[in-house]
Amino acid sequence: NAGVTQTPKFRILKIGQSMTLQCTQDMNHNYMYWYRQDPGMGLKLIYYSVGAGITDKGEVPNGYNVSRSTTEDFPLRLELAAPSQTSVYFCASSSLGNQPQHFGDGTRLSIL
Amino acid sequence: GQQVMQIPQYQHVQEGEDFTTYCNSSTTLSNIQWYKQRPGGHPVFLIQLVKSGEVKKQKRLTFQFGEAKKNSSLHITATQTTDVGTYFCAGPVRNAGNMLTFGGGTRLMVKP
Repeated sequence: NAGVTQTPKFRILKIGQSMTLQCTQDMNHNYMYWYRQDPGMGLKLIYYSVGAGITDKGEVPNGYNVSRSTTEDFPLRLELAAPSQTSVYFCASSSLGNQPQHFGDGTRLSIL
Repeated sequence: GQQVMQIPQYQHVQEGEDFTTYCNSSTTLSNIQWYKQRPGGHPVFLIQLVKSGEVKKQKRLTFQFGEAKKNSSLHITATQTTDVGTYFCAGPVRNAGNMLTFGGGTRLMVKP
């Protein structure tokens, strides 16, 4: 059982480039989330989704976009990469919003 | 502002000493969850407490949920180097759409 799978695991971008972080889950969870975690800090919610076709902003959505066309997939898009977006990005899923979340291994992103 | 607070932010202990981290919410929580993140890893769900005054144990870890369901604690007896990591509490906050809100985490460092 794979759980939550994130790709890529590492990436280096130049300022102004764009990329998509992929996230897929095989637990048939309705809720999916994107967090960023800066070094030594806690988790900040970027975007979340309560089901296919429904997304909403979290605490720090600026500079990011998401889509949820299927239950399984929840990609995160960075359009114009900035150094402030250097972070570790975690995708997570849960059955309901107040239930335990399952996290992927994360994507370590550096923007130079 | 942050609705789920954790203290302390950091804790250094000698191996064999006990450790406690505290979690406080300004509002009543329907449940409280605890996660552990090893250095370089992703948050992993440890336990969920639901009932007022509930106490649960996992080997050397003891989790408590306050009577008013606004606070919680995690106590580790006789720490080991394998306990190193960041411990997060999380609870569904009503004025955040009943979504899980994470505390800032307590980073535990254990000296052998």
